[in-house]
Amino acid sequence: GQQVMQIPQYQHVQEGEDFTTYCNSSTTLSNIQWYKQRPGGHPVFLIQLVKSGEVKKQKRLTFQFGEAKKNSSLHITATQTTDVGTYFCAGRAAGNKLTFGGGTRVLVKP
Amino acid sequence: NAGVTQTPKFQVLKTGQSMTLQCAQDMNHNSMYWYRQDPGMGLRLIYYSASEGTTDKGEVPNGYNVSRLNKREFSLRLESAAPSQTSVYFCASSGRGGSDTQYFGPGTRLTVL
Repeated sequence: GQQVMQIPQYQHVQEGEDFTTYCNSSTTLSNIQWYKQRPGGHPVFLIQLVKSGEVKKQKRLTFQFGEAKKNSSLHITATQTTDVGTYFCAGRAAGNKLTFGGGTRVLVKP
Repeated sequence: NAGVTQTPKFQVLKTGQSMTLQCAQDMNHNSMYWYRQDPGMGLRLIYYSASEGTTDKGEVPNGYNVSRLNKREFSLRLESAAPSQTSVYFCASSGRGGSDTQYFGPGTRLTVL
């Protein structure tokens, strides 16, 4: 079945630094979504990418969908303590359900 | 709009006890989902309902049953709770199948002793 994997599983970042988390699918995706879950909270939708090679920005967050529509990345610049949490990607192949990756847990060192 | 609501927020059960987790959404969404999230882990789909009157198994359905009571409500039942079912349970809904944004409830934190 469809599998979605995220790396790294954990990301320790110094405040002010940049980092990137990656999402890889075993199958070609119709779209990919990103969610953020704050500690003790529930996942909250951030963005959806649909087109091959699509790039979208939300302030310090840059999301990219790969040309082959099998991978995606989230890049955060100038990390802040408010960025702490777990970032999930979720991909949907045609005819399938949305499948969540295992998440990247981000810890920020002040 | 309250979005997605879940009850209870916390629950402690003894092994073998049964309980039902309730979920309701007021966004007129067709699809609803139940996930479990174990400590430090990702989300695993238990059951989903693509529309009122239909339910399907997800990745980890064993030990659970669901009921799509109406368009608004989707309940998850544990018939005989086991310690392995200790987890946080999230309900979610979406507008038109899995390709749309999923809106999550606040979760139910369940401990089975």
